[in-house]
Amino acid sequence: DQQVKQNSPSLSVQEGRISILNCDYTNSMFDYFLWYKKYPAEGPTFLISISSIKDKNEDGRFTVFLNKSAKHLSLHIVPSQPGDSAVYFCAASSFSGGYNKLIFGAGTRLAVHP
Amino acid sequence: DAGVTQSPTHLIKTRGQQVTLRCSPKSGHDTVSWYQQALGQGPQFIFQYYEEEERQRGNFPDRFSGHQFPNYSSELNVNALLLGDSALYLCASSRTAGQPNEKLFFGSGTQLSVL
Repeated sequence: DQQVKQNSPSLSVQEGRISILNCDYTNSMFDYFLWYKKYPAEGPTFLISISSIKDKNEDGRFTVFLNKSAKHLSLHIVPSQPGDSAVYFCAASSFSGGYNKLIFGAGTRLAVHP
Repeated sequence: DAGVTQSPTHLIKTRGQQVTLRCSPKSGHDTVSWYQQALGQGPQFIFQYYEEEERQRGNFPDRFSGHQFPNYSSELNVNALLLGDSALYLCASSRTAGQPNEKLFFGSGTQLSVL
């Protein structure tokens, strides 16, 4: 039972353009959502998060949008840079899950080319 | 300030053997979680340790066990290894269990191959 789904295994974007990574979830108990970025041979690093009481959170070039009714969130990167090339994981957590128990999607590999 | 450190980085075992993976949390962190990342998948939660006790557990068999020491470091033990246990094992630490805005900091992982 995959509770967090990232349906696009890969995405290719030109430098300077917008990257949009999508994530869907099925468990309505999730109330906190995070994006992690992973480079090869490194552990995932936290990128940005959003609480279910918000519909948007922005941090520099990164913005996460949450649509609770659709159980959908997206990560926008503007402008995309070659250094953004990595695997991006969407994750969700809940109060009942203790918040530190993250449920991850399978990831989307982003390639930003010049 | 050292981040989360894991050892070893790579490990090769055969079916039926036992393995122990080690993790030192980031300075100031007291909670350690372990995740398994199979090829092409996202990390899956194994369990979490806080105050030297297992606080939460994911959907993993009893062959997976752990321990947390008084200095907050942790071990993950896997008994009777199966081919399907081949994966990247990630350790993550945080300051306090149970807070939504507490970021998890991950180590680089231990790549376990079971032959």
